[in-house]
Amino acid sequence: GIQVEQSPPDLILQEGANSTLRCNFSDSVNNLQWFHQNPWGQLINLFYIPSGTKQNGRLSATTVATERYSLLYISSSQTTDSGVYFCAADILTGGGNKLTFGTGTQLKVEL
Amino acid sequence: DSGVTQTPKHLITATGQRVTLRCSPRSGDLSVYWYQQSLDQGLQFLIQYYNGEERAKGNILERFSAQQFPDLHSELNLSSLELGDSALYFCASGPLEFLNEQYFGPGTRLTVT
Repeated sequence: GIQVEQSPPDLILQEGANSTLRCNFSDSVNNLQWFHQNPWGQLINLFYIPSGTKQNGRLSATTVATERYSLLYISSSQTTDSGVYFCAADILTGGGNKLTFGTGTQLKVEL
Repeated sequence: DSGVTQTPKHLITATGQRVTLRCSPRSGDLSVYWYQQSLDQGLQFLIQYYNGEERAKGNILERFSAQQFPDLHSELNLSSLELGDSALYFCASGPLEFLNEQYFGPGTRLTVT
């Protein structure tokens, strides 16, 4: 099956700093998503982004499908951004709904 | 609040037992997805139902089964439980058959002793 790798595994930022999280995937995809799991365990779907660029407030994501990677940008980080960020993908022939998750990037934003 | 509810929040049971986890999707959503999150396996997609029909199947064990009822709520049945089944089980719902957006419930934490 598809391999999804995320880097870095851990990240500590000062409030106000910017960061870039990376997701590499091993096959062509028809579905690529980013998620945030807050410290209390709640999961939130951030972006559906199999290709191109999207922005939502201080967060933006870019997927370069031909080179099999996606980036999540967090600008002016806040303590509420802390938690684990996951990317997940499904291969081009997989129907789009059988997401394989990466192991996540654990982000801690400090004052 | 995502609008997706899951019950129970916590469940402690013994090996060999059977449990049922329940999920009520957001109003109007036709798709329900089940996921397992464990320390060993990370986050894994288990199964998707769309409007009562199984739509996609992931790494779901044969001891596990699910269904979606006419009122669109879903149940995940776990049987012959093993210690390794201890995990957080999430349900998510979405409006479409294709997964481009989904809203997660708070999860059910299952502990098998």
